[in-house]
Amino acid sequence: EPEVTQTPSHQVTQMGQEVILRCVPISNHLYFYWYRQILGQKVEFLVSFYNNEISEKSEIFDDQFSVERPDGSNFTLKIRSTKLEDSAMYFCASSPSGVAALQETQYFGPGTRLLVL
Amino acid sequence: AQSVTQPDIHITVSEGASLELRCNYSYGATPYLFWYVQSPGQGLQLLLKYFSGDTLVQGIKGFEAEFKRSQSSFNLRKPSVHWSDAAEYFCAVGGPGAGSYQLTFGKGTKLSVIP
Repeated sequence: EPEVTQTPSHQVTQMGQEVILRCVPISNHLYFYWYRQILGQKVEFLVSFYNNEISEKSEIFDDQFSVERPDGSNFTLKIRSTKLEDSAMYFCASSPSGVAALQETQYFGPGTRLLVL
Repeated sequence: AQSVTQPDIHITVSEGASLELRCNYSYGATPYLFWYVQSPGQGLQLLLKYFSGDTLVQGIKGFEAEFKRSQSSFNLRKPSVHWSDAAEYFCAVGGPGAGSYQLTFGKGTKLSVIP
């Protein structure tokens, strides 16, 4: 069964450094998402991406965040200057095209655990 | 704004016992509802979803959930719990008309299973 994959599984970085989290969505999916889960808290929406542009972003997704689909398979989340509070599990998700119901069936990757020191 | 409440932070059940995890949502129209499960160190796996039609939906691993519009609830059930069901369970809501397809998650319910 096709899966969303994410690399790396864990990343440790120093405050102020840039990090890039990578995701490979399911191949025939057209909608892509990033969510994050701070330890002990709920999963929070960051951004959705469709047709090579951001569809919607949350208040969390400020100017230090960016997303890109650099080629036909990868979907990346870049944090330009990491802060301590960016420490979290970051999940990538994808969903297929079609009616809204299908588009909202999101399949999640295993996550990247980011630790900012 | 849409929201999800999972009132139980932690539930412990004995193996073989029945299970019900509660989920209440707030949404202005007919919602799309989901249950995901997260095993330790793993990602979020979709258990089941409700879009329309039959209010009792079946999912993987023997789980089912019932949509009750009058109670704004979407509780997850399983008649007989297995030790491998120990995990954290998240209810989520989405829906058309919000301008996007973002999901709003509850805080999760951690399930422990006693042998």
